Amino acid sequence: AQKITQTQPGMFVQEKEAVTLDCTYDTSDPSYGLFWYKQPSSGEMIFLIYQGSYDQQNATEGRYSLNFQKARKSANLVISASQLGDSAMYFCASRMNRDDKIIFGKGTRLHILP
Amino acid sequence: EPEVTQTPSHQVTQMGQEVILRCVPISNHLYFYWYRQILGQKVEFLVSFYNNEISEKSEIFDDQFSVERPDGSNFTLKIRSTKLEDSAMYFCASRDRGLTEAFFGQGTRLTVV
Repeated sequence: AQKITQTQPGMFVQEKEAVTLDCTYDTSDPSYGLFWYKQPSSGEMIFLIYQGSYDQQNATEGRYSLNFQKARKSANLVISASQLGDSAMYFCASRMNRDDKIIFGKGTRLHILP
Repeated sequence: EPEVTQTPSHQVTQMGQEVILRCVPISNHLYFYWYRQILGQKVEFLVSFYNNEISEKSEIFDDQFSVERPDGSNFTLKIRSTKLEDSAMYFCASRDRGLTEAFFGQGTRLTVV
C-alpha cells in the first residue's frame, strides 16, 4: 500500500522568497518514485520533478528541488525565488516499482503575493 | 516536445447518456492511465493499461467504465450511462517503462446535467 500526505492545504508566500511544500509518504516497496506536479487555475497537470528511491542526490530542475529524506519518508518541494506564476495547486505523488498506479496527495494551494 | 493530447476539452452530456473521452498518449510510451478530479478535490486513479489490457483498476472503475486502445495511438475512456456524480475533470496520462514520471494531458471537463 502507499499513501501521500500533504499537511499544508494553503500557503501564502511573498514574491522572490523561497517556499517549501511538505510531503510525506508511506510505501511498502523499497523501490519507488516520487513526483511533484503543478496544477494552475487552467486545470492542466504539469510534471515538475522526479526522485527515485535509490537516487543518492536530491533532484533539481531549475528553480525546483526535491528535499529527499528517505529515513523520514519525506519529499518536500523547494521553489527558489518564487514568481507570481508559481501560484497554483501542487501535488506530491508516488508510484511503487511493482505497481502501475500513481497515488496523489490532496495538494497544497500556493499563493504568491506581489 | 511530445505531449499527451485529450479531446474534447469540455463535454456536456445528459444523465444516462454514453460518453467517450479520447486521448493520444506520447507515441513511444507503454503505460496509459485515466484519472479523475472532482472539482477542488484530489486526483483519483481510475485505471492503468499496459500491453493491451487493464493492469490495475480502482473501485471507482465499475462496470459503467471501459477503456480501449483501438488503433495503437488512441486511448479512450467510455462511460456507458453517465450519472451526475461523474461530473469531473478526466485526465489521461502515459509513461515509459521503469520508474519514470507520467505525463498528463490537459484534461477533459465532463459535465453531466
